[in-house]
Amino acid sequence: DTVLTQSPALAVSPGERVTISCRASESVSTLMHWYQQKPGQQPTLLIYLASNLESGVPARFSGSGSGTDFTLTIDPVEADDTATYYCQQSWNELTFGSGTKLEIK
Amino acid sequence: QVKLQQSGAELVKPGASVKLSCKTSGYTFSTSYMSWFKQIPGQSIEWIGMIYAGDGGTGYNQKFKGKATLTVDTSSSTAYMDLSSLTTEDSAVYFCARTPNWYFDFWGPGTMVTVSS
Repeated sequence: DTVLTQSPALAVSPGERVTISCRASESVSTLMHWYQQKPGQQPTLLIYLASNLESGVPARFSGSGSGTDFTLTIDPVEADDTATYYCQQSWNELTFGSGTKLEIK
Repeated sequence: QVKLQQSGAELVKPGASVKLSCKTSGYTFSTSYMSWFKQIPGQSIEWIGMIYAGDGGTGYNQKFKGKATLTVDTSSSTAYMDLSSLTTEDSAVYFCARTPNWYFDFWGPGTMVTVSS
């Protein structure tokens, strides 16, 4: 299976720019997607196919990357962005990263 | 608007089975794919499998073959997942999500399953 590696946690202040990374153990082309999950809630889709903003998601969120290295950027960060962010690949099987917990200071 | 409603929390005994439901509305269920997931609180998300409502065709994560069985009832736009031979390791929150293109755009709120004697 393709393993996705994410940094475990980040802390930023409101108004700052934050980048959340996801590295795949093999190339997944642009078959990478990003989700936000707030405590006690279901995940919500933010970005699909590496860089496409899901309908209804604020333009503060953006995605980039291809191959093995991907980035989710939030600019500017707001207090409501406190959540865990997961990457997910659809190159083979369907696997998720371990998640990055974002704290807003 | 798209909605996915999942059945309520379950408390089941080891060795038993449980059937979870995911009732949909707001889109054409019969030509869509639905996936199911497992998430132990505080941990990441595991994809269990996917079903195409049009013909009931399924695909499973190898890890969950024999554990989970996916079915649909197109007359009620509902997807189901049977979990069998439950152990404490199956205690988790289970989500369903619409699957347009191998990613997941609308998720249900989840069903907590607790396996305990």
